[in-house]
Amino acid sequence: EIVMTQSPATLSVSPGERATLSCRASQSVSSNLAWYQQKPGQAPRLLIYGASTRATGIPARFSGSGSGTEFTLTISSLQSEDFAVYYCQQYNNWPLTFGQGTKVEIK
Amino acid sequence: QVQLVQSGADVKKPGASVKVSCKASGYTFTDYYMHWVRQAPGQGLEWMGWINPNSGGTNYAQKFQGRVTMTRDTSISTAYMDLSRLRSDDTAVYYCARDQGDIVATTRPAFSMDVWGQGTTVTVSS
Repeated sequence: EIVMTQSPATLSVSPGERATLSCRASQSVSSNLAWYQQKPGQAPRLLIYGASTRATGIPARFSGSGSGTEFTLTISSLQSEDFAVYYCQQYNNWPLTFGQGTKVEIK
Repeated sequence: QVQLVQSGADVKKPGASVKVSCKASGYTFTDYYMHWVRQAPGQGLEWMGWINPNSGGTNYAQKFQGRVTMTRDTSISTAYMDLSRLRSDDTAVYYCARDQGDIVATTRPAFSMDVWGQGTTVTVSS
């Protein structure tokens, strides 16, 4: 099973600042990586797939990069609605696995 | 609009079974795989398996093999997840989530998930 490790566990950022979230895979997942956003009491929402392609309706301030084992989600200028938990997910191998999440909180 | 609506919360005793439903609307149900993902209280996301609504074929995470059964009723565009021999650590929110890949257009699923149900809370308690 591929283990996905996200860092940091919590990221404190001021509105308008840039946020950089990391996700590392225990073995290569090529570009088969997705990012999701989850707000309290809500279902996750797909942000990025294929490591760098924004899903439909996702604002351009969200961007993804990386391949192999190292991936990054960048939020260029945090808006109030972006404070949430973010998960990465690999879909290169069974079982599909998620990282443990990074909570982006208001500084 | 594309939507997945799940059944309501349920409380079960240890050893019992639970069946969660997921009704799809706004798209052709048989054109997209359906995943099931769960989230224990305060924890992360855990993939349980998928079903191909067209063929009924399934793929379960090894952790759930023998306890989970995923089925569908194409006449009402509904997927089901049945989990048996429940334990207290099965207490979680259970989500259905549509695979992003249109298997008619692309011939294969994507294995990322673009539409999610609202979640069903299952509590296992004696």
